[in-house]
Amino acid sequence: DAMVIQNPRYQVTQFGKPVTLSCSQTLNHNVMYWYQQKSSQAPKLLFHYYDKDFNNEADTPDNFQSRRPNTSFCFLDIRSPGLGDAAMYLCATSREPTPQETQYFGPGTRLLVL
Amino acid sequence: AQKITQTQPGMFVQEKEAVTLDCTYDTSDQSYGLFWYKQPSSGEMIFLIYQGSYDEQNATEGRYSLNFQKARKSANLVISASQLGDSAMYFCAMREPYSSASKIIFGSGTRLSIRP
Repeated sequence: DAMVIQNPRYQVTQFGKPVTLSCSQTLNHNVMYWYQQKSSQAPKLLFHYYDKDFNNEADTPDNFQSRRPNTSFCFLDIRSPGLGDAAMYLCATSREPTPQETQYFGPGTRLLVL
Repeated sequence: AQKITQTQPGMFVQEKEAVTLDCTYDTSDQSYGLFWYKQPSSGEMIFLIYQGSYDEQNATEGRYSLNFQKARKSANLVISASQLGDSAMYFCAMREPYSSASKIIFGSGTRLSIRP
């Protein structure tokens, strides 16, 4: 089945230690998104790729970076995680960034910062 | 600016009853898409149903239907014959029109609990 896959499902890191979360998709969608979701809150968009074009949200901290080496894979790098970065990180894809296109989400990676 | 409002932070419903989750939205755009997602405690965001702004009929997907009232800018989710597995957080969402910063705007969510 076509899907969005995220690894790992749970990630524990130490304060200040760089961490990378990965997302892959078999949907062949052009757009890939990274969201941060803290407890009992709605997801917050960090950035997205439309093909190879990177689009950063204005309020995304510089501590968060992303790479998309090919259509299928997208990575979220947190350079120096702080305690406030503990959250669920959701990857999503859509065929096009248009109002009628559905975003499909992966299962998420729950990040814990010690 | 676009905005999604969900006024019910939590709801309790008896199993097998129907439930309506409220959602209102605000936009000045003519072309937009409305979505409902379900998020169980596992964290995965599951797409349930989509309604386009130009769709004249209400969307339906199995036990889910969307009561779309364009003039009132409401897009309520109706779940018929609720099941224990329906217990989850439900988010109403809207996509902005196409732009380089296209994104989904989520409401604050409604936590639905189904009683046996």
